[in-house]
This record gives sequence, C-alpha cells and structure tokens, in this order.
Amino acid sequence: GAVVSQHPSRVICKSGTSVKIECRSLDFQATTMFWYRQFPKQSLMLMATSNEGSKATYEQGVEKDKFLINHASLTLSTLTVTSAHPEDSSFYICSATTGGAGSLNEQYFGPGTRLTVT
Amino acid sequence: AQRVTQPEKLLSVFKGAPVELKCNYSYSGSPELFWYVQYSRQRLQLLLRHISRESIKGFTADLNKGETSFHLKKPFAQEEDSAMYYCALSEGNQGGKLIFGQGTELSVKP
Repeated sequence: GAVVSQHPSRVICKSGTSVKIECRSLDFQATTMFWYRQFPKQSLMLMATSNEGSKATYEQGVEKDKFLINHASLTLSTLTVTSAHPEDSSFYICSATTGGAGSLNEQYFGPGTRLTVT
Repeated sequence: AQRVTQPEKLLSVFKGAPVELKCNYSYSGSPELFWYVQYSRQRLQLLLRHISRESIKGFTADLNKGETSFHLKKPFAQEEDSAMYYCALSEGNQGGKLIFGQGTELSVKP
C-alpha cells in the first residue's frame, strides 16, 4: 500500500529557533498533502492543504508566516515552524493523496512528528 | 459550519459484546464520511468509507442522512479492536480535506 514518511519523528528545539519537518510519499506521487496538528488525547486539526507547485491553503486561525509550507515536488512537502515557542509543542501529522482538487481519494497518513519547544 | 461530533471519549466493553461508536455530523451538502483507526503506537489508517458499503474487520457503518449520523458498529468486539477511532467528513468540493471528530477510545477487556 501507499506509504508516507515523516522526518524527524521527534525534535526538541529551543524557543526562537525554526524547525523543518519533512513529509514524503514513498511509492506514489502526491498531488495534495495535508498538515495536521494533534494535541494529546485530542483530535486532528487541519492546518493547511498543500498542492504541488502552488501556494498552500491555510485554515482559519493558522498563521501562514509562522507555519511555512512548501510542496516542492510530487513526493515532498515540508512544514517549517518559524520562531518556535513552547505553545507550538505538539504532534504534527501529514497525509498525502493522489487526487487533486475535488478528489475524494484516500488520504495516507504519516507517522507524525513530535515537536517539543523548550 | 461543518462539524463532526463523537460524543463518547471512551467506550469500554467486554470481549464478545456488541459495540457502537457514535458519530454525528453537520454539513449542508452531500458529505463523504469515513472512519479512521489508530492502534497503539501506529499511524492513522482508513477503516472504512460510507461509499464503499463494505465490512472491514467485522465493522460496518451506515450513513443515515435523516439523523445525520454515521455510527460504527461491530456485533462481537475483540481485544485487538482496542484503539482510537475517528469519524471524519470530507467536503467533496474542497480538495478532499477531512474534518475529524474528537475521537473515541475503544477499550475491549478480556
């Protein structure tokens, strides 16, 4: 089946620094990738939708200047948390789909990245 | 606004008992509904989708548009069913993005 990887799986950074998280589709081309944030024992909150070759679409309340998303190729999307603060500590999950806009293709999820900001 | 509600945070049953995980949604159009499962220390994975009308691992879910519900059912729970279950709604004209419910933790005791 389709596999999505994330790197790193865990990262600890100091307040004020930036952290980049990679999301890769290993055996398929992902025209669309999604970034979610999950707090402990809570649901996944969609942050943004990333389409290859175009600007990401952010959900209401998500700061696009703080959470920079780049979908440089059909197999790679990156999320950069800029000037991280302790409140940004969370579990970040990406998913990928082969479908484009309007598609209902299945989303394949990555294993997640645990970010801790000290 | 689109919303998915799972009223139970935790559902605990004994092995062999029937289980029903509730999911209600609010959406003005024709939604696509899904159930995702996350086993301990594993990634989120699709369990079933309403358009497939299939039974996966003994689970079924029927979309009831009148009650705006998509409850997940299994007649005889197994210990390996213990996991977090998320109901999700896809807005068909929004690039396939998913709106998740809060999740229900199913615990099946021996």
